[in-house]
Amino acid sequence: DTAVSQTPKYLVTQMGNDKSIKCEQNLGHDTMYWYKQDSKKFLKIMFSYNNKELIINETVPNRFSPKSPDKAHLNLHINSLELGDSAVYFCASSRRLYSSYEQYFGPGTRLTVT
Amino acid sequence: DQQVKQNSPSLSVQEGRISILNCDYTNSMFDYFLWYKKYPAEGPTFLISISSIKDKNEDGRFTVFLNKSAKHLSLHIVPSQPGDSAVYFCAASAGSSNTGKLIFGQGTTLQVKP
Repeated sequence: DTAVSQTPKYLVTQMGNDKSIKCEQNLGHDTMYWYKQDSKKFLKIMFSYNNKELIINETVPNRFSPKSPDKAHLNLHINSLELGDSAVYFCASSRRLYSSYEQYFGPGTRLTVT
Repeated sequence: DQQVKQNSPSLSVQEGRISILNCDYTNSMFDYFLWYKKYPAEGPTFLISISSIKDKNEDGRFTVFLNKSAKHLSLHIVPSQPGDSAVYFCAASAGSSNTGKLIFGQGTTLQVKP
């Protein structure tokens, strides 16, 4: 049974469209994260939520909006997609907020904007 | 400004020999360090971590060494196995911020040859 799942795994769309990526964790964790891995392979934090409360909001364009309906789900909605949004997006979760708690990652969603 | 750097993009070793992966950081506020392993088309998985109050942490074949004065850490894998072939990411956090935010390096691709 998958611990952290993301849908879809692949997403190809055109510039200007709006798309969502869904993430669910069945580990009972309190904290969830979104990371972006760009073409240079750097993994960068975008957002984190703790018990549905936004904790980290890095300098991400406001076209990106996370939504946490409950602590098991953290979805990422992207408006007006741009070519530069093409990347692999990873969702992760951890038992508690602090960095000493191991983060469990989903398999990633490869977004391609054409 | 990349605060965590893995200067070797790739490393190739023979099965049974030692693999040494290196990581440098610039932020002296970092006090917790982690290594993650990533296979293609999967999310990163936690491997081993070390707190800044220690200089060594061992888990089976994996040992992480921390040299705070040099702002350098390394991951040793002994003996290396073909199944260890993956991308290894170093990550760091400033635990006092208590946000769970991890700063990742760009990864080193390890190939273990049979």
